[in-house]
Amino acid sequence: NAGVMQNPRHLVRRRGQEARLRCSPMKGHSHVYWYRQLPEEGLKFMVYLQKENIIDESGMPKERFSAEFPKEGPSILRIQQVVRGDSAAYFCASSPTLNTGELFFGEGSRLTVL
Amino acid sequence: AQSVTQLDSQVPVFEEAPVELRCNYSSSVSVYLFWYVQYPNQGLQLLLKYLSGSTLVKGINGFEAEFNKSQTSFHLRKPSVHISDTAEYFCAVKENSGGSNYKLTFGKGTLLTVNP
Repeated sequence: NAGVMQNPRHLVRRRGQEARLRCSPMKGHSHVYWYRQLPEEGLKFMVYLQKENIIDESGMPKERFSAEFPKEGPSILRIQQVVRGDSAAYFCASSPTLNTGELFFGEGSRLTVL
Repeated sequence: AQSVTQLDSQVPVFEEAPVELRCNYSSSVSVYLFWYVQYPNQGLQLLLKYLSGSTLVKGINGFEAEFNKSQTSFHLRKPSVHISDTAEYFCAVKENSGGSNYKLTFGKGTLLTVNP
């Protein structure tokens, strides 16, 4: 059973470009979460999605950031007009239900903004 | 809202020595507690979790943690570490009921470095 798959693993963008990060959850998992990790910081919650629905996006900046989890295909975290402060590791996690506690994490997408 | 404090940002130890990584949390409701490990340039892997029951929890790779409700702590221990345990360790907390019971709150991490 494949784990949570994220791509690309590394992405370099210039200021003002767009970044798209993809996440395929584990098979059978319908809950997807995105977290951001800045240097010397823990992971910060960004958004929680179920298929076709955004449940909680309270951790996501109001502008330039958006997320989706369509009926078919991976979840996508989109950052428009990137700035240097967006440079970070973005982790996707999935879970089969809400109540098991455990989240299963992907290996992350590391965004560098030049 | 909950928060997690990992008191030590870095812990250097020698191989085969015991280690304790400290974690304290605050929350107004009952919680689940977790320790995750992150090896360089990799994702997070669950070491162990406390959901209910026995306060001493055993995890993978010989790690264990003890939930202390009165001290709101969940310290991670290993009696004898290996070079391969060098990694960053994150403590995390999650409400076990209520409207935000999907959201993990992480500490800032403790970098464990095991030296030969």
